[in-house]
Amino acid sequence: TQLLEQSPQFLSIQEGENLTVYCNSSSVFSSLQWYRQEPGEGPVLLVTVVTGGEVKKLKRLTFQFGDARKDSSLHITAAQPGDTGLYLCAGLKTSYDKVIFGPGTSLSVIP
Amino acid sequence: GAGVSQSPSNKVTEKGKDVELRCDPISGHTALYWYRQRLGQGLEFLIYFQGNSAPDKSGLPSDRFSAERTGESVSTLTIQRTQQEDSAVYLCASSLAPPRVRINEQFFGPGTRLTVL
Repeated sequence: TQLLEQSPQFLSIQEGENLTVYCNSSSVFSSLQWYRQEPGEGPVLLVTVVTGGEVKKLKRLTFQFGDARKDSSLHITAAQPGDTGLYLCAGLKTSYDKVIFGPGTSLSVIP
Repeated sequence: GAGVSQSPSNKVTEKGKDVELRCDPISGHTALYWYRQRLGQGLEFLIYFQGNSAPDKSGLPSDRFSAERTGESVSTLTIQRTQQEDSAVYLCASSLAPPRVRINEQFFGPGTRLTVL
């Protein structure tokens, strides 16, 4: 059973389009992160959110942590080919001392 | 500065052989993690070290898998009697401190791609 679900699993879009990917759970997380992994490399941290309802912006990327701290979304505006990669959410549950990763959303942005 | 390094970058082995994968974390990082990533999939947690101790080995798939860490630095993941289903990329990550109330950034190495023939 996945504690963190991500959707969609795969997404292929044209350059310039907008998109949103989701990270959901039935459990509450004290904090949550988004990582991006490019082919042949390890994941790299994009953002950490810790407060329910928090919104963070990183250039064309907007991250939101749900009010109940059970879900998060990542919105990309005007996607570019450089955004291509696997987007992973990772959460820390207060009852665990371990970070849990979701299965990822594989994004392909076509020029 | 130096990031997390892993060696070898690629390893091809025959079924039944033992393999050792090495991880050199960022200096000063007390927490170290091993993950397995099958082709096109997310990260599967294997084991976590705090210093040289492994408080969480829950992700190790079988007793053929073991790991150790020495000097609060380098870690080795050993897979004995490899099977074809062990083929995957093995990623190592380190962080300044273990997760507590707040999540810490994990810095990942480039991974070791293991192929078992």
